[in-house]
Amino acid sequence: RKEVEQDPGPFNVPEGATVAFNCTYSNSASQSFFWYRQDCRKEPKLLMSVYSSGNEDGRFTAQLNRASQYISLLIRDSKLSDSATYLCAVTLSTGGFKTIFGAGTRLFVKA
Amino acid sequence: GAVVSQHPSWVICKSGTSVKIECRSLDFQATTMFWYRQFPKQSLMLMATSNEGSKATYEQGVEKDKFLINHASLTLSTLTVTSAHPEDSSFYICSARARLAGLNEQFFGPGTRLTVL
Repeated sequence: RKEVEQDPGPFNVPEGATVAFNCTYSNSASQSFFWYRQDCRKEPKLLMSVYSSGNEDGRFTAQLNRASQYISLLIRDSKLSDSATYLCAVTLSTGGFKTIFGAGTRLFVKA
Repeated sequence: GAVVSQHPSWVICKSGTSVKIECRSLDFQATTMFWYRQFPKQSLMLMATSNEGSKATYEQGVEKDKFLINHASLTLSTLTVTSAHPEDSSFYICSARARLAGLNEQFFGPGTRLTVL
C-alpha cells in the first residue's frame, strides 16, 4: 500500500465547476499536510497547507481528518488556469521529517 | 520567498557517463535538502535526505553508490548519477528546508531533466 494515495484522475470539468480531490495517508507519523500544484515539466508549487480546523484561500478549501487519515481539496468556480496536477503531500515526524507525495491527480478545466 | 536553484536545468549524456546536478539555496541556509526523482506521469519519489555535514539517508531501493549525494555546505548539495543509463532518464528535483524556518517550509528547485542516450 502506498503511503499517500490519491484519486487516479484525470478530472475533466467545465469552467465554473466545483472539483474535489481526495487523499488518504497511512503513516501514523504524518504530522504536516499539504496540497501542491504541479504544471507540466515544472517543479511542484505549494498551494496550501492543510489544518485540522480546515482552511480556505479564496476558491480553495482544504480539510484534514486525522481520525480517518484523509485530506481533501475543494476548488470552487474552477478556471482554465487551474488545469494542472494536484499533489497531496505529508511530512513525517520521523526519518528526517521527509515529505512523501501522492501520485497526483490531473485536472483539465475546459471552456 | 526563498529561492532554490538547480544546475543544469537539462542535460543529455551518453550511457556510462556520470552527471552532477547542483542544488543551491540562494538566500537562506538549508540544513536539510531532499532529492526527488519523477518519471513521466508519475509522482515525485523521494530518493534521499541530505543533511549538511553528514551522510545522506537513502530511501529503500535507491542505490547509494549510484546516486552520490554531497552536502558540503549549508547552501549546496550535489547529486551525482554515476555510470548513467537510459533508465536513469528522469526529472530530478531538489528541495531545501530553511535552517530557521518551521518544518513546514520546504522550497523546491526548478528541476533538472536528465536524458541518457
